[in-house]
Amino acid sequence: AQSVTQLGSHVSVSEGALVLLRCNYSSSVPPYLFWYVQYPNQGLQLLLKYTTGATLVKGINGFEAEFKKSETSFHLTKPSAHMSDAAEYFCAVSETGNQFYFGTGTSLTVIP
Amino acid sequence: DTAVSQTPKYLVTQMGNDKSIKCEQNLGHDTMYWYKQDSKKFLKIMFSYNNKELIINETVPNRFSPKSPDKAHLNLHINSLELGDSAVYFCASSQAQVGQGGETQYFGPGTRLLVL
Repeated sequence: AQSVTQLGSHVSVSEGALVLLRCNYSSSVPPYLFWYVQYPNQGLQLLLKYTTGATLVKGINGFEAEFKKSETSFHLTKPSAHMSDAAEYFCAVSETGNQFYFGTGTSLTVIP
Repeated sequence: DTAVSQTPKYLVTQMGNDKSIKCEQNLGHDTMYWYKQDSKKFLKIMFSYNNKELIINETVPNRFSPKSPDKAHLNLHINSLELGDSAVYFCASSQAQVGQGGETQYFGPGTRLLVL
């Protein structure tokens, strides 16, 4: 069975500070991993994904994530937060069936 | 051009009514999905269709009935609406085939349903 845990339902950072959003998963097979962002009153937009190959994945808007199999983690980072990064972030895992299992989301607040 | 579109964007209705939400994708994808996002932002898949065939049918009340007239459209009909149906409903599509993982899902803007 698959599941996704996002530690911290709310994260606040100062503008210019490091953003770190945590995601841990459980999967019986090598997973496919995704991070999506949801801005207020909008749909979900793909930030980045890991399927195979390089474990450090770069996405849009300066975000990146690293797949660590030994830690079953796929944490999302950005070196310097911008006000425009304030949004809800979702981690998701899928296996061969392409059914996505989403985490409960992390709301990111950026403090000026 | 909007890749995945949904209508209506907002839907306010009374308990007991029947309503439909429409979804269309112009990405040429074979698979479409319906998700429900509750007030706590939790996203749960409801249904998935591949080439007009139902492939995922999660535990959803049978008042919810998806219909796929062609692979570019997946509509959601809800009978006898209840207060607990109030949520945001998202349509999504992907190029995934049955048994294939790793394909990105593209989401529509959502339909905000409020049942009074």
